[in-house]
Amino acid sequence: SYELTQPPSVSVSPGQTASITCSGEKWGDNFACWYQQKPGQSPVLVIYEDSKRPSGIPERFSGSNSGNTATLTISGAQAMDEADYYCQAWDSYTAIFGGGTKLTVL
Amino acid sequence: EVQLLESGGGLEQPGGSLRLSCAASGFTFNNYAMTWVRQAPGKGLEWVSSISGRGETIYYADSVKGRFTISRDNSKNTLYLQMNSLRAADTAIYYCAKDQLVQVATIDYWGQGTLVAVSS
Repeated sequence: SYELTQPPSVSVSPGQTASITCSGEKWGDNFACWYQQKPGQSPVLVIYEDSKRPSGIPERFSGSNSGNTATLTISGAQAMDEADYYCQAWDSYTAIFGGGTKLTVL
Repeated sequence: EVQLLESGGGLEQPGGSLRLSCAASGFTFNNYAMTWVRQAPGKGLEWVSSISGRGETIYYADSVKGRFTISRDNSKNTLYLQMNSLRAADTAIYYCAKDQLVQVATIDYWGQGTLVAVSS
């Protein structure tokens, strides 16, 4: 079955750039989207169709999809960006989530 | 404003049944596919099932296929998940979510979730 692999954790200093990767064999055939989930809250869509930002999502969030890896980039990370991030894609009528990455801003 | 309000969760014994509901408002319900996603305590997100806007297309995760049934009543703006033959592994917060399109696509809004606990 298709799997999406994320690093369990990423750390970044405030104001620096954080990159969270999501590896999968079929990225060339699929769009990536990314969700942010803060403790005790529901997920929020931050990137869809690889690189598009929904309204209300800050410009510091960006996405890319190249080869076997989709990447979420947070430029100028802020304390409020500390959260779990999940990538997601569709494959053969099944939605697949990555295992999630805990972003720590310190 | 999109609002999704789940209900129907609770404690159930293994082998039992529960029916989750999700009342939707703030958008034209039958114009969008809907999805259920669950999250076990301390774990990641797991997709459960999706249904297109008119209900003609339905998908299930292998882990729930044959036990869970997704449905929708567009006259009531409500999404359902009938869960039968419950297992301990089904214990999770169940989120109702709205897709971006009438056909199954990216989720753009999530409800607050309802907790399902399966235990004897």
